[in-house]
Amino acid sequence: AQSVTQLDSQVPVFEEAPVELRCNYSSSVSVYLFWYVQYPNQGLQLLLKYLSGSTLVKGINGFEAEFNKSQTSFHLRKPSVHISDTAEYFCAVSAAPSGSARQLTFGSGTQLTVLP
Amino acid sequence: GAGVSQSPSNKVTEKGKDVELRCDPISGHTALYWYRQRLGQGLEFLIYFQGNSAPDKSGLPSDRFSAERTGESVSTLTIQRTQQEDSAVYLCASSLGDRGRTEAFFGQGTRLTVV
Repeated sequence: AQSVTQLDSQVPVFEEAPVELRCNYSSSVSVYLFWYVQYPNQGLQLLLKYLSGSTLVKGINGFEAEFNKSQTSFHLRKPSVHISDTAEYFCAVSAAPSGSARQLTFGSGTQLTVLP
Repeated sequence: GAGVSQSPSNKVTEKGKDVELRCDPISGHTALYWYRQRLGQGLEFLIYFQGNSAPDKSGLPSDRFSAERTGESVSTLTIQRTQQEDSAVYLCASSLGDRGRTEAFFGQGTRLTVV
């Protein structure tokens, strides 16, 4: 089984400032990693994913994340945030095909609030 | 349709009543997930369907919860004898397969309020 820890439940940041949302995971098998965003009163949508290859992945809306296997982390970053980035962000992990688990496991979420 | 469709979008029910929530996945998606999201909390896995395999029910919180899926199409989540702690947004997601690589697409959710 795998688990995901999002270390910050709330992250306030001023507009145009950089932001990092932290995510750590644990798993006994290889994993795939995802970041999803949930805007107010909407469903979740995929921001980016790491499957294999380059450890730095770029997603939509200027977000990127870096997979660090030794630290079992997948932190999400954006160099300059906008008011419209205000949302809940969820980190998720699923087991690679060699594993037995099938479902996505989500972290508890980080509420990013961008202040004017 | 183009996306995952859930109905109803909102449901208010009296404690003790049964409710049925519906999910229409994206056509061709063999994997289907149900999650529960309580206010201010993360997503809690409930159940997973993959093709004709036996569903993974390991996340269902009690025997009042059950779900069915007809082939690779519609799924219904049923909650019997609802309790106030069942109040939450119930999210359905579908994906192309169970290899974990593929993105899960989420519906808008059903907001259930038990009064």
